[in-house]
Amino acid sequence: QKEVEQDPGPLSVPEGAIVSLNCTYSNSAFQYFMWYRQYSRKGPELLMYTYSSGNKEDGRFTAQVDKSSKYISLFIRDSQPSDSATYLCAMSAPTGANSKLTFGKGITLSVRP
Amino acid sequence: GAVVSQHPSWVICKSGTSVKIECRSLDFQATTMFWYRQFPKQSLMLMATSNEGSKATYEQGVEKDKFLINHASLTLSTLTVTSAHPEDSSFYICSANLGTGTSGRVGKNIQYFGAGTRLSVL
Repeated sequence: QKEVEQDPGPLSVPEGAIVSLNCTYSNSAFQYFMWYRQYSRKGPELLMYTYSSGNKEDGRFTAQVDKSSKYISLFIRDSQPSDSATYLCAMSAPTGANSKLTFGKGITLSVRP
Repeated sequence: GAVVSQHPSWVICKSGTSVKIECRSLDFQATTMFWYRQFPKQSLMLMATSNEGSKATYEQGVEKDKFLINHASLTLSTLTVTSAHPEDSSFYICSANLGTGTSGRVGKNIQYFGAGTRLSVL
């Protein structure tokens, strides 16, 4: 079993739709949970991060972490064509400065005008 | 948010030459930076962890003599691809760990990424 599983997609939705992206993980030591957005030929951009369990909202984006189920989600409300990108979940354990990120494989989202 | 600058964004070089890529944290100090490689339509592959003032830690299968990493200051890490060959052509991305410098960010184990460098070796 891989440490982080993410539905590879791709995912295509109409403009204005609510998008739900999910990852599951197996390592209970993970405490930091991040969602990155990556446009083609660009570096990943941090969208949201959450420490431990709970919800976090930032504009049209909501991140949820359920540590009991080892499941994290990113919701995008009122999706826009500019949201079309690859979304990567990532997580790490708080073991110090050298803590590596463990990534999901990423899902490519296309928002149709 | 924290800003990481990576330069150059694109480089073309002849086979056998060396190429240096710079990664700078602009508004925070980072004792730890990371170097990744990404192939088309794939996720990021960690190459090495760059530690300020000490040797880098390379992932299994990554040639340390091929990919030289120097982290001479708290805001700068460099990756040099030595004697580059066409198979080294790829997208290289750096990141800096926010929670490793001064200020109140210590402990926040969050990485911010540079924009990436596209290397094409002819």
